[in-house]
Amino acid sequence: GNSVTQMEGPVTLSEEAFLTINCTYTATGYPSLFWYVQYPGEGLQLLLKATKADDKGSNKGFEATYRKETTSFHLEKGSVQVSDSAVYFCALSGESGSEKLVFGKGTKLTVNP
Amino acid sequence: DTAVSQTPKYLVTQMGNDKSIKCEQNLGHDTMYWYKQDSKKFLKIMFSYNNKELIINETVPNRFSPKSPDKAHLNLHINSLELGDSAVYFCASSQDSSYNSPLHFGNGTRLTVT
Repeated sequence: GNSVTQMEGPVTLSEEAFLTINCTYTATGYPSLFWYVQYPGEGLQLLLKATKADDKGSNKGFEATYRKETTSFHLEKGSVQVSDSAVYFCALSGESGSEKLVFGKGTKLTVNP
Repeated sequence: DTAVSQTPKYLVTQMGNDKSIKCEQNLGHDTMYWYKQDSKKFLKIMFSYNNKELIINETVPNRFSPKSPDKAHLNLHINSLELGDSAVYFCASSQDSSYNSPLHFGNGTRLTVT
């Protein structure tokens, strides 16, 4: 079945550092890929998405490119802020409408001032 | 003007009790979900309804029963609660059930079974 593997956390960075959170997936066909963010005490929020190969999703300075050749969707940000501290989830949704959204295990990011 | 709201936020109860969690969305979405997040933050889908019709029913004990009185509401009833049911339960909705329709989550209900 479909699955998502993302890098183990936690990740601790200083403000203005460069962020990469790796995500790879296994799926048949052409899934849609997502990054969600969960701030402390809140539900998940969609951060960005990409629905086909070579698409780049971007939002709030975060970017991720749908790479079918490497089955990856790595999240990057050039300069993190303290307010980016959260848990980040990579997810995919299968090509057929009946396939559910599958989440990675989440990566906790802490940004120190 | 909360988009997806669930109540209660916290629920502490004893083993063997029956409890319900309510969820409402005011986004006009057709599809709603229940997810369970364990202590390690792992998220697993439990159920999904599209226009009040059950479309996803994962391997969940029969003690869990979802109910959707209309497409804006999806409640979760749990019978005979067990220690292992302790988790955070998230309600979510999406425009429709298509695979590229992103989810909008509620803030979660932290269930603690003692």
